[in-house]
Amino acid sequence: AQSVSQHNHHVILSEAASLELGCNYSYGGTVNLFWYVQYPGQHLQLLLKYFSGDPLVKGIKGFEAEFIKSKFSFNLRKPSVQWSDTAEYFCAVNADSGNTPLVFGKGTRLSVIA
Amino acid sequence: GAGVSQSPSNKVTEKGKDVELRCDPISGHTALYWYRQRLGQGLEFLIYFQGNSAPDKSGLPSDRFSAERTGESVSTLTIQRTQQEDSAVYLCASSTQAVAKNIQYFGAGTRLSVL
Repeated sequence: AQSVSQHNHHVILSEAASLELGCNYSYGGTVNLFWYVQYPGQHLQLLLKYFSGDPLVKGIKGFEAEFIKSKFSFNLRKPSVQWSDTAEYFCAVNADSGNTPLVFGKGTRLSVIA
Repeated sequence: GAGVSQSPSNKVTEKGKDVELRCDPISGHTALYWYRQRLGQGLEFLIYFQGNSAPDKSGLPSDRFSAERTGESVSTLTIQRTQQEDSAVYLCASSTQAVAKNIQYFGAGTRLSVL
């Protein structure tokens, strides 16, 4: 069975600091990888995804993530966070075969302070 | 509709009562998923529907949980004889089809509190 591990439960950063949120998954086959974000009071929305090709993917709002297959990782990065990035971030994965629902990590809460 | 709509947004019930949660997917989306998020946990898959195919119920935690969907429209998740451990946010998502390379669009969820 697949599982996703997000290393940080709560991250607190000052504005303009750089961000890296860790995500590791366990699955031996080909996977699709996602980062979803939930802003306060809003629903989950897709931040970025990796299906194939260039392992460095760019998403909305200046976020990017790098798929490192050898490390089973898909870490999320942003060079300079803003107060409006305060949200909960979820990493998710599914197996690239048949109809498979998403397996989510427990989420990382990011608080950006002025 | 413009997005996935769920109702009610909040539900408080007493232990032992039955509850029904509703999800209205994005128009034209053939796949519909239910997830549960308990406090401090990630989302857990419960069940999904793809068109008129038999649903994948592999994530349902017990036989107290069931879900229905008529065609490609509204789905209801029913929890019978609710228990306190059922307290969670229940999220519905839809996508154009239930294939691995799909993007799921989520509703705002129903927060269920079992007293």
